[in-house]
Amino acid sequence: DAKTTQPPSMDCAEGRAANLPCNHSTISGNEYVYWYRQIHSQGPQYIIHGLKNNETNEMASLIITEDRKSSTLILPHATLRDTAVYYCIVRVVGFDSWGKFQFGAGTQVVVTP
Amino acid sequence: DSGVTQTPKHLITATGQRVTLRCSPRSGDLSVYWYQQSLDQGLQFLIQYYNGEERAKGNILERFSAQQFPDLHSELNLSSLELGDSALYFCASSPHPGLDTDTQYFGPGTRLTVL
Repeated sequence: DAKTTQPPSMDCAEGRAANLPCNHSTISGNEYVYWYRQIHSQGPQYIIHGLKNNETNEMASLIITEDRKSSTLILPHATLRDTAVYYCIVRVVGFDSWGKFQFGAGTQVVVTP
Repeated sequence: DSGVTQTPKHLITATGQRVTLRCSPRSGDLSVYWYQQSLDQGLQFLIQYYNGEERAKGNILERFSAQQFPDLHSELNLSSLELGDSALYFCASSPHPGLDTDTQYFGPGTRLTVL
């Protein structure tokens, strides 16, 4: 699976949008981009995933560049409860893929009042 | 609440001992994954089962073993425990590892402390 690069930390003001970048320049055509977050030693929580089209759900939006070498997770209106470590993961999904996730160090996001 | 349950929440034991961690996947999920998270190593994949069969192995020590039972719950057995085995152990489950809609849902974890 391709490796990802994320900034180690970032701050965001409450109520503002949080834009979390992820670089995955060696991504392959059949690798999906997944985002998870982990709030202080709780189990990682699924946020969103996509292949090449932008995706949106009730939690966030995922913007993937046309060349798929990078992506951005957008939390539209950050709250204090969004303070967490955010992980960007790329993973092959397919008939012969048994889909383990390789977590990196992630980005520590701190939302401040 | 992800629907994945893990027991116990906390476990304190001594070096050299053996413990068993239990995981019940979400209803209908056939695949179970185990991860270890220690302070200096981050989240590390250990092993995956699908419908009772081992499918993938990660950085799992020989002192560790796991199985998935016919009712799909899974157990992770850790033996000859060392201080360095102190960590959070997470279980995750997913319905269809091969589909593009698939994703993993994590349980709350078991915190193991080896003294």
